[in-house]
Formats: sequence, structure tokens, C-alpha cells
Amino acid sequence: EAEVAQSPRYKITEKSQAVAFWCDPISGHATLYWYRQILGQGPELLVQFQDESVVDDSQLPKDRFSAERLKGVDSTLKIQPAELGDSAMYLCASSLDSPLHFGNGTRLTVT
Amino acid sequence: AQSVTQPDIHITVSEGASLELRCNYSYGATPYLFWYVQSPGQGLQLLLKYFSGDTLVQGIKGFEAEFKRSQSSFNLRKPSVHWSDAAEYFCAVAVNYGGSQGNLIFGKGTKLSVKP
Repeated sequence: EAEVAQSPRYKITEKSQAVAFWCDPISGHATLYWYRQILGQGPELLVQFQDESVVDDSQLPKDRFSAERLKGVDSTLKIQPAELGDSAMYLCASSLDSPLHFGNGTRLTVT
Repeated sequence: AQSVTQPDIHITVSEGASLELRCNYSYGATPYLFWYVQSPGQGLQLLLKYFSGDTLVQGIKGFEAEFKRSQSSFNLRKPSVHWSDAAEYFCAVAVNYGGSQGNLIFGKGTKLSVKP
């Protein structure tokens, strides 16, 4: 079964540094989502793409977070500068005409 | 605003016992409802979904869920729990679901522990 690929699996960074996460959705899935999951909580949407266009980024902290999906396929989420409160699991998901399929996430620790 | 409440943070059941995980939602229109499971350090796997029709839906791994509109609930059940079911379970409601436009609102999750 096709999967959503994410890298890296784990990332440790110091506060004020830049960090980036990558996601490759299931082939043919037009919609891509980035969620943040703080320990002990459910995932919360950061940004949603339809092809290369942003559909919803209302919860994305735009002063430090950015996301792009230039060719409408894979996507990158960047944080600059990272803060201690950004420590979380960052999950990517994709969908076509179906429920969301999630990747295994990137666990970010900011020290 | 749409929301999902999972009242139980942590549940422990004995292996072989039955299981029910509670989920209540708040949504003005017909909800699209989901249950996902997450093993430690992993992503989320879809267990089952409700869009319309029969209010009792069957999912993978022997799970089922019942949609009760009058109670705004979508509780997850399993008649006999296996040790491998230990994980965290998330209920979710889709906002503006249609085709590929569905963002999910998640509950805070229920952690399931299974006693031998």
C-alpha cells in the first residue's frame, strides 16, 4: 500500500535555529496537509494545500513558519527561528477523494 | 465552532474484555466522522469512517462505531481486546468535507492500555 513519506523522523535543534521538514504524499493525491501534534494532544492543522495552492493557513504562525508545495507534489515546512514551544510531532497527510492518509511524522525537539 | 470531545484520557482493560471509547462532537451540519489509531511514535491509521447511511459502521481490526445523532456521539467499540490494541485513539470530524477538501478536527485522544 502506498504511503506518505516524511523526513527526517527525528530532529533536535537549538532555539533560534532554522529547521525544515519534508513530505512526499501518495502519488496522485492533490490535497496535502501539515498538522502539528503536541504531546498528549490531538493533531491540529497548520496548513492545507490543493495542488500547489494554499487552501487554509489560518492556524500557521506566519511570523516563523512557512510552507510550500511548488510543483504540487512534495512539500516542505520550515520554522525559522525555532522556539522551545515548537517541540512537537509534525504530521503530513494527503488525500484524493478519500479520508486522510498520514505519514509517520517528524518528531522535533527544540533545546 | 466545530469540536470533538473524548472524555476519557486513559482507559485500561483486560485482554479479552470488551471496549468502548467515547466521542462527542459539536457540528452544525451532517458530520463526517472518523476514528484513527496511533501507536507510539507513529502516524495515524484510519480505523473507520461515517459519512451517511447505516449508523453502525465496521472498521479494520474488528472495531465498530455507532453514530447517534440525538446524542451527538460516535463511540468506538470492540467486543474482545487484544494486547496489540494498546495505542492512542483519536476521534475526528471533517469540516467542509467534500472530495479532497476535508480538514479534520481531532479530539485530544484516549490512551488505551491492555492488561494481560
